[in-house]
Amino acid sequence: QVQLVESGGGVVRPGRSLRLSCAASGFTFSDFGMHWVRQAPGKGLEWVAVMSYDGSNQYYADSLKGRFTIFRDNSKNTLYLQMKSLRTEDTAVYYCAKDMGQHISWYEYWGRGALVIVSS
Amino acid sequence: QLALTQSPSASASLGASVKLTCTLSSGHSTYAIAWHQQQPKRGPRYLMKLSSDGSHYRGDGIPDRFSGSSSGAERYLTISSLQSEDEADYYCQTWGTDFVVFGGGTKLTVL
Repeated sequence: QVQLVESGGGVVRPGRSLRLSCAASGFTFSDFGMHWVRQAPGKGLEWVAVMSYDGSNQYYADSLKGRFTIFRDNSKNTLYLQMKSLRTEDTAVYYCAKDMGQHISWYEYWGRGALVIVSS
Repeated sequence: QLALTQSPSASASLGASVKLTCTLSSGHSTYAIAWHQQQPKRGPRYLMKLSSDGSHYRGDGIPDRFSGSSSGAERYLTISSLQSEDEADYYCQTWGTDFVVFGGGTKLTVL
């Protein structure tokens, strides 16, 4: 069955960097777009970024452009999110999600999330 | 600008039915959406994709107590025979060519 397992979360100081990973299994990873979505404590879901199936396209939420980078390694079935210049407002659970198609459509599967706490 | 609007809360009794609404912004009434459920302390789970004609595509293992329908810019999620585990937050999601949008979510309380 499809599994998405995020890792790399933790507590980080403001201004520092952190990289999240999402290990995928149970489907042909290289055939599908993959997303990062976050959820701040007590808040709703916020889309972060998407990378197309072959890595040729990536798009970001306007508020995050320049600080976050999404990338993938199809040989390792893994999606990544590199976050830099972290702010306290980046504190959230970060989920990876599998797109139904190669680029952007709806999410068929979600991971369980990785908690990132940005605090001094 | 593409946006989704949801009521913050809803409630219904155990065993009854409830209909949740997600409204597409003006000029976007033909867009499909997806419904996702998030039970307390858990990650989201895909429920169904819902098209403008009301056709819907449920995710793996989603019971047929969950159904979808559409009218104009409104997209509905109907849950029948409510169970205690249906108490959750429900989010609608849509997408453009280079972005994804979520509604603010509806917190469903099962009385």
